[in-house]
Amino acid sequence: KQEVTQIPAALSVPEGENLVLNCSFTDSAIYNLQWFRQDPGKGLTSLLLIQSSQREQTSGRLNASLDKSSGRSTLYIAASQPGDSATYLCAVQFSGGGADGLTFGKGTHLIIQP
Amino acid sequence: KAGVTQTPRYLIKTRGQQVTLSCSPISGHRSVSWYQQTPGQGLQFLFEYFSETQRNKGNFPGRFSGRQFSNSRSEMNVSTLELGDSALYLCASSLWSNTEAFFGQGTRLTVV
Repeated sequence: KQEVTQIPAALSVPEGENLVLNCSFTDSAIYNLQWFRQDPGKGLTSLLLIQSSQREQTSGRLNASLDKSSGRSTLYIAASQPGDSATYLCAVQFSGGGADGLTFGKGTHLIIQP
Repeated sequence: KAGVTQTPRYLIKTRGQQVTLSCSPISGHRSVSWYQQTPGQGLQFLFEYFSETQRNKGNFPGRFSGRQFSNSRSEMNVSTLELGDSALYLCASSLWSNTEAFFGQGTRLTVV
């Protein structure tokens, strides 16, 4: 079964720190991997998309990496701010048999302390 | 450029009723996918429509159905509602299948 796991489930850090969120997936046959943030009661905001052929993507203070062979991705957030507080979700589009839509991890609930 | 629009934002229905949710994708996007989000199960894929055809379907009972119109707008229908159908239903729009997904704000369905 194709699965996505995110560690840690929750994280609380002081403002200004750099931090790393982890995502692992069970099958290296993927089209892409996408990171989202979700604020309470709201929809998902796309942060970064990494295609299968890419190793990393950057947007502002965010950097996402992809290692297909080990089934891992990381989201690096530099100089964290209270506005970064949200749940961060990793989603994988698997390309192997039985792949249906995006497969999501359970998310990392991030709190940035002012 | 307008984002993904879902209507209504909130719904309260009684067990046994049926409900229809609507999603208008980003202009020019042809793929629309639906997801169910619950605290226990997280985000789960329901189905994807592309050019008015259902491409993929997740592991949900036949009470969950959908369709897509020629303008790419999509509707999702749930019949014979159960308490466990209470969830946030999210629609995602993509230019093509397997490209970057953009989500709407969701429809919060409460079944009582």
